[in-house]
Amino acid sequence: AQSVTQLDSQVPVFEEAPVELRCNYSSSVSVYLFWYVQYPNQGLQLLLKYLSGSTLVKGINGFEAEFNKSQTSFHLRKPSVHISDTAEYFCAVRYLKSNQFYFGTGTSLTVIP
Amino acid sequence: GAVVSQHPSWVICKSGTSVKIECRSLDFQATTMFWYRQFPKQSLMLMATSNEGSKATYEQGVEKDKFLINHASLTLSTLTVTSAHPEDSSFYICSATRGGPTGELFFGEGSRLTVL
Repeated sequence: AQSVTQLDSQVPVFEEAPVELRCNYSSSVSVYLFWYVQYPNQGLQLLLKYLSGSTLVKGINGFEAEFNKSQTSFHLRKPSVHISDTAEYFCAVRYLKSNQFYFGTGTSLTVIP
Repeated sequence: GAVVSQHPSWVICKSGTSVKIECRSLDFQATTMFWYRQFPKQSLMLMATSNEGSKATYEQGVEKDKFLINHASLTLSTLTVTSAHPEDSSFYICSATRGGPTGELFFGEGSRLTVL
């Protein structure tokens, strides 16, 4: 089965500390990878995406992610978090031959002052 | 970036009534729109895929007669929850893609439905 796994459901971190949100996918075919952020009672906003090329992808709000094909991972990182980063983060995979996206279960990031 | 708008953002209705939620792509033509349902503290569950001018493709377990989807134009898709019941209360999110293999999803703001 093809799926997306976000290993941590909740991640508390102190303000200005670094953070890594983990994402692994299971697929035997090529995929595109995305990270989305969701603030309370809002839709999802794209943080960054990996389509091809450099495996290190930089996104908005200082986030970056690294695609690791051998480990089938696409972990999201930020070197120094801010209170405003408190939100739900979703990893998603899109298979090249279809229009469908599959989402992970989400990671709730809480930044502690 | 592209904008997808949903309306209404909040809706409260009585059990047994029907509710329509609109999803519009404001600055691009969306070849495909998707409808998701999200329960509290959970991920997005794909309900159906909607292509303009054709019938929606529903995911397994989603009742077609309960959740009517119409994609009448390249900029508008609607989700109608028919004969709503309290268990239909949820956060419904639409998304749209310009198409093509690298097209990202653009999400609406979501619509919170509460059925009393």
